[in-house]
Amino acid sequence: GESVGLHLPTLSVQEGDNSIINCAYSNSASDYFIWYKQESGKGPQFIIDIRSNMDKRQGQRVTVLLNKTVKHLSLQIAATQPGDSAVYFCAEGFSGGYNKLIFGAGTRLAVHP
Amino acid sequence: KAGVTQTPRYLIKTRGQQVTLSCSPISGHRSVSWYQQTPGQGLQFLFEYFSETQRNKGNFPGRFSGRQFSNSRSEMNVSTLELGDSALYLCASRRGTPGHYTDTQYFGPGTRLTVL
Repeated sequence: GESVGLHLPTLSVQEGDNSIINCAYSNSASDYFIWYKQESGKGPQFIIDIRSNMDKRQGQRVTVLLNKTVKHLSLQIAATQPGDSAVYFCAEGFSGGYNKLIFGAGTRLAVHP
Repeated sequence: KAGVTQTPRYLIKTRGQQVTLSCSPISGHRSVSWYQQTPGQGLQFLFEYFSETQRNKGNFPGRFSGRQFSNSRSEMNVSTLELGDSALYLCASRRGTPGHYTDTQYFGPGTRLTVL
């Protein structure tokens, strides 16, 4: 499949370990944040989102943490599986900007058996 | 429910030509956005359409344009293609419920455009 990004930072983890993917954002006016997963040859797939008035949100095997003080977002994946291998993007959205999302550069997650 | 579909999936053009890409949103979704993805620039917002009207536009030259039809299907057009336009063009749709600006965006698989 096509390569999403040739020089993305890579996080390598062992199967079964927990993964933490970090993202720094720039605009303190962002209203919400979203994590997407992109596998080779596919479009981004929604994982989880969080509003700016929250600091934590949990989904199935995933947790997103938001620290507005330092403009930092993280995605935690519990018990990482080979199927989690992909590029992960954080995106910030603005209520005044309707549907416009500003994406981060992405992090490649490589899960080793 | 069928996801976002994009056609064609792959396209090869030469410099100076123009191209039209098509996107069919998820049934019931009224908002369609387009993004360009390249290894160097990442994912960048092109524009958003809602009810056949462009509601937001990114920082791209006027060679990039789009439209939306009454059935919410959307097309984007790139005229006078340049080598740097080679990219994966992604379409995303959302319900677009008024006041619910955080409706989840669902992406299609993209159209891979190569300009020679």
